[in-house]
Amino acid sequence: QVQLVESGGGVVQPGRSLRLSCAASGFTFTFYNYGMHWVRQAPGKGLEWVALVSYDGSLKYYADSVKGRFTISRDTARNILYLQMNSLRAEDTAVYYCARWIGDPFDAFDLWGQGTMVTVSS
Amino acid sequence: EIVLTQSPGTLSLSPGERAALSCRASQSVRSSYFAWYQQKPGQAPRLLIYGASSRATGIPDRFSGSGSGTDFTLTISRLEPEDFAVYYCQYYGDSRGTFGQGTKLEIK
Repeated sequence: QVQLVESGGGVVQPGRSLRLSCAASGFTFTFYNYGMHWVRQAPGKGLEWVALVSYDGSLKYYADSVKGRFTISRDTARNILYLQMNSLRAEDTAVYYCARWIGDPFDAFDLWGQGTMVTVSS
Repeated sequence: EIVLTQSPGTLSLSPGERAALSCRASQSVRSSYFAWYQQKPGQAPRLLIYGASSRATGIPDRFSGSGSGTDFTLTISRLEPEDFAVYYCQYYGDSRGTFGQGTKLEIK
C-alpha cells in the first residue's frame, strides 16, 4: 500500500526541540522524480510549505519562517523522512504533513500523510 | 517571492450549482507547476488538478482547471454534497512551494 505515515508530534515547551518522522511505504523512496516535503497547517489556518529534500538528500530548501531552526533529512535505507525542529516557538504549533512531490509531467504533491500535531506551549 | 491570492474566501452554493474558484499570482507563473487541492475537515489535502488543467487520477470530470500567467480558475460544473470543502491553489517555483490562503466552499 502506497502511504506516508507521520509520527513524533506532541506538546513541547518554547525553545525546546522535537523530531518528526515520516515513514514511506509502497513505492521507491529514492526514485529520482520524487522530492519529499513538509507542509504545516496551524489550527484553523491554511497550508504553509515548510521544507523540501531532493530524492537523494543532496538538496534542501526551507521556508524563511523556519530557516536556521529546522532541518529536513531522509534515511534512504529505511525509507524515512525527518524534520528536526529546534528552538520551537508558539507560532510553530500546527499539524505537520509530509508530502511526496512527483516531478515531470505532474509536478505536484500527489501523496500526503495523515499529519502529526505539534503544540508549542509552556 | 510569489504570492497566491484566492477569491472568494468563502463561497456559498447549493448542490447542483456551478462553482468557480479563482487564484491570482503576484507575478506570472509556469502553468506546469500550478495545482489545486481539496481538503476536508480532519483530512490531508488531496490533489485535484496539476499542470493547471489536468485532472489527477480518480478525480471526477466535473472538476476542471484553467488559466495561465497570473490568473487561474478551478471550476466544479455541478456540485455534489461531497464537494463542499476547502480548496487551495499551489505553485512550485524557486525550489519552494507556495499555497493560496484557501477558499471554503460551503452549502447554502
